Amino acid sequence: SAVISQKPSRDICQRGTSLTIQCQVDSQVTMMFWYRQQPGQSLTLIATANQGSEATYESGFVIDKFPISRPNLTFSTLTVSNMSPEDSSIYLCSVNRGGGYTFGSGTRLTVV
Amino acid sequence: AQSVTQLDSHVSVSEGTPVLLRCNYSSSYSPSLFWYVQHPNKGLQLLLKYTSAATLVKGINGFEAEFKKSETSFHLTKPSAHMSDAAEYFCVVGGADGLTFGKGTHLIIQP
Repeated sequence: SAVISQKPSRDICQRGTSLTIQCQVDSQVTMMFWYRQQPGQSLTLIATANQGSEATYESGFVIDKFPISRPNLTFSTLTVSNMSPEDSSIYLCSVNRGGGYTFGSGTRLTVV
Repeated sequence: AQSVTQLDSHVSVSEGTPVLLRCNYSSSYSPSLFWYVQHPNKGLQLLLKYTSAATLVKGINGFEAEFKKSETSFHLTKPSAHMSDAAEYFCVVGGADGLTFGKGTHLIIQP
């Protein structure tokens, strides 16, 4: 299975600012997935990122709020823009390789 | 479209007794099904997966799950609970569009 390096692991940010989260995979993958886990909740898919095309966003998520980059087959970033306290969550990236999904260790974001 | 329902938000068992975490799913095609575990302040870890091979799937740490198509269920079991099993467990259905997560079951192990 793939190994994912995700950073930062945590951050405390001021409202109105933006944070970019990075995921680096140790092998080439076609699709990368970005999830959000709000406090006490399950994971919700934000978007799917394919290399060379625009990300596909799930209902309730928009590109202006969560822009995603996918410059190559091993790397992706998710930006949380114009943050508010409601954005305080854990954000995770994920890839599917070898029939199973691997997740990054997550970014715990607190917006104050 | 696909969905997954974990029937219990919390399950409490005594150490050494069996564990049963229930999961039902719906999918318009043959699904892939997963169980993930999340320990406090840790990332998600894959316990086991079903991908249309054997219906009884064995995973790590003594866990197993049985795919029952007629019941659209994929319950997770373990014969004897250990204190280290205390965690959040997610049942997940997978398809071409990614994963759909259940809301999670918090497993509590009583000494």
